[in-house]
Amino acid sequence: DARVTQTPRHKVTEMGQEVTMRCQPILGHNTVFWYRQTMMQGLELLAYFRNRAPLDDSGMPKDRFSAEMPDATLATLKIQPSEPRDSAVYFCASGPGLAIGNEQFFGPGTRLTVL
Amino acid sequence: GDSVTQMEGPVTLSEEAFLTINCTYTATGYPSLFWYVQYPGEGLQLLLKATKADDKGSNKGFEATYRKETTSFHLEKGSVQVSDSAVYFCALSDQKGAQKLVFGQGTRLTINP
Repeated sequence: DARVTQTPRHKVTEMGQEVTMRCQPILGHNTVFWYRQTMMQGLELLAYFRNRAPLDDSGMPKDRFSAEMPDATLATLKIQPSEPRDSAVYFCASGPGLAIGNEQFFGPGTRLTVL
Repeated sequence: GDSVTQMEGPVTLSEEAFLTINCTYTATGYPSLFWYVQYPGEGLQLLLKATKADDKGSNKGFEATYRKETTSFHLEKGSVQVSDSAVYFCALSDQKGAQKLVFGQGTRLTINP
């Protein structure tokens, strides 16, 4: 049963600390997406990759957020320094490509709390 | 830009009631349309989809029809169950570029026994 995995599932940190979230996409999927979910803003796309290359990261605050894919089995989202307004659930999703109507498969999310 | 507007929640129904959750969209071109469901503590799962006008997506008793003339993709189920309690998201992806999803705000559905 292929699934997207995310670690950690929960993270509590203090303002100013660095946070790294990790995602393992489904084997064989070549697109990876990072979303953020908050009560106020709903689901927002932060960044996405195709074949490990970043296609668009315009949804991310560039000064503190960075997203990378060191290899095909790992995507990372880093926040440095973290701020209380970054508190949210961060979802990673992967997909099998860019054909019309392709489904995205979501991980369980990382719930981040910045104090 | 592209956008999705969903019926405001929360929605509370009794078991076996009929469900409709409204969804309308704004997009250039001909997007693909999706309904995703999120159960408590979990990520989103695809419920159904439609990729062209007049297509009907269906799954687990849920249905939605792609209506280009009204730019709508309303979700319906004839008889809901307690296990359908979840948050439902309508979404679209454009048919160019990277197929990124644009989500509605979500509708929380609670079914009482």
